[in-house]
Amino acid sequence: DAGVIQSPRHEVTEMGQEVTLRCKPISGHDYLFWYRQTMMRGLELLIYFNNNVPIDDSGMPEDRFSAKMPNASFSTLKIQPSEPRDSAVYFCASSLGSWNTEAFFGQGTRLTVV
Amino acid sequence: AQRVTQPEKLLSVFKGAPVELKCNYSYSGSPELFWYVQYSRQRLQLLLRHISRESIKGFTADLNKGETSFHLKKPFAQEEDSAMYYCALSPLEYGNKLVFGAGTILRVKS
Repeated sequence: DAGVIQSPRHEVTEMGQEVTLRCKPISGHDYLFWYRQTMMRGLELLIYFNNNVPIDDSGMPEDRFSAKMPNASFSTLKIQPSEPRDSAVYFCASSLGSWNTEAFFGQGTRLTVV
Repeated sequence: AQRVTQPEKLLSVFKGAPVELKCNYSYSGSPELFWYVQYSRQRLQLLLRHISRESIKGFTADLNKGETSFHLKKPFAQEEDSAMYYCALSPLEYGNKLVFGAGTILRVKS
């Protein structure tokens, strides 16, 4: 397995544009997480899914952010409209099991909104 | 609510010196705690977890429930230990939810 795959690796967009980040979890994993990494706040949990169902989206900063998981092998994080303060590295991670299991991270998408 | 605090943004030590990366947590139940590490240009990966009680790359971490801490320690730092370290908590009643601290950059100088 190639691990968790995220695309694109880098995204530069203009303020106001829609941005879609994509994630393919490890096959068979039933948990999927979206995190945002910034120097000031570290790794913030935005939302996580269990068996494709959103469980906790309390970390989603605003209504401009939305996430979907239409099937077990694909998830998207969308920002519409994007703002400069959304610039960060966005990580997707997946894990298997009910508790206490290791999370495997993708390489991240570095988003720059100008 | 669950919260993880890593008070140091940056820790700089000389090679061969002891290292202690601090982590405190806030959670009313019995958490599972982890340390994750991100080396330059690599993915974030698990370093060690409390339940395993193992030493990885010379690092150990002890859960102190009285002080709600899970500090990461290594007796003799090596240059290859330079990385970003994140402490994380998994609360029992939330499945596999992982809450991370803000991270600490460890720089080991020669």
